[in-house]
Amino acid sequence: DTEVTQTPKHLVMGMTNKKSLKCEQHMGHRAMYWYKQKAKKPPELMFVYSYEKLSINESVPSRFSPECPNSSLLNLHLHALQPEDSALYLCASSQGGGQRNTEAFFGQGTRLTVV
Amino acid sequence: GQQLNQSPQSMFIQEGEDVSMNCTSSSIFNTWLWYKQDPGEGPVLLIALYKAGELTSNGRLTAQFGITRKDSFLNISASIPSDVGIYFCAGRTSYGKLTFGQGTILTVHP
Repeated sequence: DTEVTQTPKHLVMGMTNKKSLKCEQHMGHRAMYWYKQKAKKPPELMFVYSYEKLSINESVPSRFSPECPNSSLLNLHLHALQPEDSALYLCASSQGGGQRNTEAFFGQGTRLTVV
Repeated sequence: GQQLNQSPQSMFIQEGEDVSMNCTSSSIFNTWLWYKQDPGEGPVLLIALYKAGELTSNGRLTAQFGITRKDSFLNISASIPSDVGIYFCAGRTSYGKLTFGQGTILTVHP
């Protein structure tokens, strides 16, 4: 099983709303990631969690708040977003733990539209 | 920061033709990954390369990890319509971060 599951698949939210994106994997991976992707551009790294601790924050605005409740789950809490935050948000996971030879598996993404 | 130069940016080919794309960097990577992404979906891992000089195949796909560890290529043989999509290379350093190329948009005409 190499599946990373993201919900919801699509989300439309107003600029004053609070919403959350969810990600789940059951591969025993210890590293989980959030990426943001604009159309026809490569994914841009936002956050990395390693062993349930935030290890990398790529200077992401505080209106994006990640959370890792346990080793299988990763959330991204959204509040007071701007229209330019509309994008495909991708979750990924990899073995982590300092392993050099690791593959990263992506979920299907959440298509977010901010109105 | 690290950058990956992926080329070509786009390709328009006839069904049955072979395809070649590559990525180069000024930095050394420990792992090279090749992904394919369909519209509205997440990237799907095609091939992973872990050692300099490694040549790996996955069906009609072949990829190589350059000897200098600064480049990689992906070949697709006998293309079919479902090969359409965006192909990304990605390099991973020992710190674990993935750096992506800008992508190659592949269009296959039947």
